[in-house]
Amino acid sequence: SQTIHQWPATLVQPVGSPLSLECTVEGTSNPNLYWYRQAAGRGLQLLFYSVGIGQISSEVPQNLSASRPQDRQFILSSKKLLLSDSGFYLCAFWGLSSYNEQFFGPGTRLTVL
Amino acid sequence: RKEVEQDPGPFNVPEGATVAFNCTYSNSASQSFFWYRQDCRKEPKLLMSVYSSGNEDGRFTAQLNRASQYISLLIRDSKLSDSATYLCVVKGDSGAGSYQLTFGKGTKLSVIP
Repeated sequence: SQTIHQWPATLVQPVGSPLSLECTVEGTSNPNLYWYRQAAGRGLQLLFYSVGIGQISSEVPQNLSASRPQDRQFILSSKKLLLSDSGFYLCAFWGLSSYNEQFFGPGTRLTVL
Repeated sequence: RKEVEQDPGPFNVPEGATVAFNCTYSNSASQSFFWYRQDCRKEPKLLMSVYSSGNEDGRFTAQLNRASQYISLLIRDSKLSDSATYLCVVKGDSGAGSYQLTFGKGTKLSVIP
């Protein structure tokens, strides 16, 4: 079965500190992977997506970067966090049957102080 | 203009009530349409796809009007367990060999005993 993992679940970081969030997928190969952010009172915003190893597309200019070092691993990073980076970060991939359902990981809740 | 707009909510309804959510989208080239459900502090999960002919899944009925670029969700006989945020979601071509989902901000539903 297809599963998606994210860690950590919760993170509190000071402004200016680095960030690394990890997402891994099981039960599928060559998935298209996505990073979203959901800020308080706002909808899900697509940050990055990747169609393969080393291939990253960025949707919005921002303080974050993404990498895909392995087929089923997707990493979200920052060198220096801003207060505005606080939010709920979700990793997702398309299900095997068709491009009709995205499955989300459990998310990382990031608070930047 | 926002790409996917929903009723701002929140909707507070008694058990057994019928509640309707509306959504409009701006991109006429959008290909597929969905309602996702998001419980508090959890990841979104697919509730149902929305088809032009209208579709029903138990107490839930979804409608799509492509000409008006309008999507709706009707919940009959509301249960306490229906309390959640309902996200209107539109799928389009990312132009990079994949598809993208665009999410509305969501409408929060609270079903009251």
